[in-house]
Amino acid sequence: KAGVTQTPRYLIKTRGQQVTLSCSPISGHRSVSWYQQTPGQGLQFLFEYFSETQRNKGNFPGRFSGRQFSNSRSEMNVSTLELGDSALYLCASSLVGTVSSYEQYFGPGTRLTVT
Amino acid sequence: AQSVTQLDSQVPVFEEAPVELRCNYSSSVSVYLFWYVQYPNQGLQLLLKYLSGSTLVKGINGFEAEFNKSQTSFHLRKPSVHISDTAEYFCAVTTASYNQGGKLIFGQGTELSVKP
Repeated sequence: KAGVTQTPRYLIKTRGQQVTLSCSPISGHRSVSWYQQTPGQGLQFLFEYFSETQRNKGNFPGRFSGRQFSNSRSEMNVSTLELGDSALYLCASSLVGTVSSYEQYFGPGTRLTVT
Repeated sequence: AQSVTQLDSQVPVFEEAPVELRCNYSSSVSVYLFWYVQYPNQGLQLLLKYLSGSTLVKGINGFEAEFNKSQTSFHLRKPSVHISDTAEYFCAVTTASYNQGGKLIFGQGTELSVKP
């Protein structure tokens, strides 16, 4: 079974621009979560989607948004990029409805550099 | 609110020696606990998990961890490490609530460095 895939793997953007990152979950996984990883703040939860609805959200400004499609694929968008948005963005997927739903499986991440 | 503290930011150890990476958590509700490993320029790989049942859980690559509810700890151990175990290790917690699905709280990570 294929793992979680994220595209693109690397991105370089300029301050003020916006960016869209994509995540395809493991087949059969219907929950998708997003995390930001930086050297200073570590791994921080951004948001989680299930059944095309945002079910939980972390403490990030409204410039960070996401959505989920009917096939469970998810995208996250960051508008008006700031230098501090430079990070590794990780997507994770999980099953829903059993205790196994708490196990999250991560993709390789998208490395975003804002200049 | 939940929180996770990894007590060591860096752990150097010689090859074939035992290692323990320490993790403490704080939560007012029941939790599920995880250890993940991250190799350079890669995502996170699930090493092991505690969901219920036996407090001693075994994972991949010879790692194991023990859930201690009274000490609120979930320390990771390996009896004999290899050079290939060099990586960053993250302890994570989530709450046993369906409505809070998908939110893992991570510790700051422990960098394990295995020397020959």
